[in-house]
Amino acid sequence: DVQLVESGGGLVQPGGSLRLSCAASGFTFSSFAVTWVRQAPGKGLEWVSNISGGSGGSTTYADSVKGRFTISRDNSKNTLYLQMNSLRAEDTAVYYCARASGFLSFFDYWGHGNLVTVSS
Amino acid sequence: EIVLTQSPATLSLSPGERATLSCRASQSVSNYLAWYQQKPGQAPRLLISDASIRATGISARFSGSGSGTDFTLTISSLEPEDFAVYYCQQRSNWPLTFGGGTKVEIK
Repeated sequence: DVQLVESGGGLVQPGGSLRLSCAASGFTFSSFAVTWVRQAPGKGLEWVSNISGGSGGSTTYADSVKGRFTISRDNSKNTLYLQMNSLRAEDTAVYYCARASGFLSFFDYWGHGNLVTVSS
Repeated sequence: EIVLTQSPATLSLSPGERATLSCRASQSVSNYLAWYQQKPGQAPRLLISDASIRATGISARFSGSGSGTDFTLTISSLEPEDFAVYYCQQRSNWPLTFGGGTKVEIK
């Protein structure tokens, strides 16, 4: 079975940094694009970032996080990462990783989500 | 950015009734639209891709239609487990965007 398990969330002060991880199993991780999507408390879904399959040579970001967040992948560890710097209160959300069927695509499998809270 | 507007915001129906959810795009997305279901405390689940293709394991009571700017998700006969929030999402252009959601609640 396809599984995606996020970790690394928690409470961080404004201006701080955090790195999320997403461990994948049950499929050939390197062959798929993967994504981060977030959901602020009580709000809708917001796409954050995508990384292409293979070496992950292509990445793209929402304007709201561009220049502050970096997506990366380690295919040897079947793991996706999201490095989040200069965090703001408005970054507070549940962060989901998901598998994409292509680089510009839909998301067919999702992790359970990981809460990031930015607060002093 | 392509804005997706979902209506209604809330749909109050009884089990067994038919649900019709709408998603309108600010510009044409061809048929590059998906629908997701999300229950409280859970991750979204893909229901429909490319406007009308049911995802693996999704019941035939869910159907999608539309192209261009106007799309519909229909649940033919609501089961108790179908009461949830539904989101549409486009993959026509960056940034990927989601609609604001439609909550289907028990009347």
